[in-house]
Amino acid sequence: AQKITQTQPGMFVQEKEAVTLDCTYDTSDPSYGLFWYKQPSSGEMIFLIYQGSYDQQNATEGRYSLNFQKARKSANLVISASQLGDSAMYFCAMRGIMEYGNKLVFGAGTILRVKS
Amino acid sequence: DGGITQSPKYLFRKEGQNVTLSCEQNLNHDAMYWYRQDPGQGLRLIYYSQIVNDFQKGDIAEGYSVSREKKESFPLTVTSAQKNPTAFYLCASSILRQNEKLFFGSGTQLSVL
Repeated sequence: AQKITQTQPGMFVQEKEAVTLDCTYDTSDPSYGLFWYKQPSSGEMIFLIYQGSYDQQNATEGRYSLNFQKARKSANLVISASQLGDSAMYFCAMRGIMEYGNKLVFGAGTILRVKS
Repeated sequence: DGGITQSPKYLFRKEGQNVTLSCEQNLNHDAMYWYRQDPGQGLRLIYYSQIVNDFQKGDIAEGYSVSREKKESFPLTVTSAQKNPTAFYLCASSILRQNEKLFFGSGTQLSVL
């Protein structure tokens, strides 16, 4: 079965420093997509970044980058130059076609707190 | 502006009552989804639909029902059979390709009186 694991329930980072949020996954789909979402206290889900399983380069979107290691089945999110507004819940998610019918499966999330 | 609209923002359910959560999208997306989120937890899939008049159970479908009579609408009914309905409910939609992100509504907080 398809599964996403986020092992860090909570993280602290000093403002302006970089932080890495871990995500490992398990799937038998040969082709899949990996997503990161941010959920502030308001509850909305904000899409951050996407990585395709066949993409040769790691995805980047502004201050967000995805450290994709396919052989290790990990897709860690790196946030550079943390800001107070980055404090939120962060979810890793995966979408494959064969194993899970094109649904998006989420990890349990990591709460990030940025300290000033 | 295109997007997903969920209503109401807050909903209260009495014992034994069915309640319906609304989800409407004007993004012309084929797929729509309902997720449940408990405090401090991840999102769990309740139901999803990839085409009008068809839907599939997710991981926690018991006590819930859905319909998909129109492409734009995917209402979720929380029935009296759902014994622990208090949660945050999120509706989402997407194009049916694996590299396409889900667009989410702003959520409905359901509480039991």
